[in-house]
Amino acid sequence: AQRVTQPEKLLSVFKGAPVELKCNYSYSGSPELFWYVQYSRQRLQLLLRHISRESIKGFTADLNKGETSFHLKKPFAQEEDSAMYYCALKGGGNKLTFGTGTQLKVEL
Amino acid sequence: DAGITQSPRHKVTETGTPVTLRCHQTENHRYMYWYRQDPGHGLRLIHYSYGVKDTDKGEVSDGYSVSRSKTEDFLLTLESATSSQTSVYFCAISEAGSGNTIYFGEGSWLTVV
Repeated sequence: AQRVTQPEKLLSVFKGAPVELKCNYSYSGSPELFWYVQYSRQRLQLLLRHISRESIKGFTADLNKGETSFHLKKPFAQEEDSAMYYCALKGGGNKLTFGTGTQLKVEL
Repeated sequence: DAGITQSPRHKVTETGTPVTLRCHQTENHRYMYWYRQDPGHGLRLIHYSYGVKDTDKGEVSDGYSVSRSKTEDFLLTLESATSSQTSVYFCAISEAGSGNTIYFGEGSWLTVV
C-alpha cells in the first residue's frame, strides 16, 4: 500500500520568511514524488517532481529515502505563493496517491 | 495547459437522480483518471482507465461507474446521487510509464441536494 502524509493543514508565514511544507510517504517500492499547487478554485498544477531536481518559482524539494520524506522548501515566501499544496506519490499502476494538502498563507 | 475539458463545470442535482460527468482530452494519452476533492481528504481516486474499455477501481469507487469507449472520452456516472457525493470532481490524464506527469482538468463542482 502507498500512503502520503502532510501533517499541517495550514501553514501561515510572513512575506520574506522561509517556507517548509512537510511530506512523508510510505511505499515499499521505488516511488516517484510530486508536488502540485492549486490556486483558489483552479486546476491542480504540477510544481515539482523529484526526478527532474529542478527549481520552480523558487521552490525546491529533495527526496530523502532514509527519512521517506519529500519536503517542499522556499527561502523567501512571496504573497503569490498563497495556495493549497499537495504532495503526491506515483507507485504501481501509474496512479497518484495524494496527501491531504497544506494551505499556505503568506501574510504581509 | 494540457488539453482536458470537463463538462458540466457546475451542476446541482437532486438525491436519487443519475448524473454523468464527461472528460474529454485532445492529447491522445493512454491513462485517464477521475478524482474527487474534499476538505480534509485531499484528492482520492475514484476510477481510472488504462485504455479504451479498460478501467479499474480506485479507493472510493462505491456508487460510481465509468466508461471509456473512445481514447479521448472518459465518463463518470453517479447511478443514484447522494449528498455524500457532493464534491469537486477532477479528471486527469497521463501517458504510461515512469517520469510522465499526470495533468488535471479544471474540475466539476457537483452539489447533490
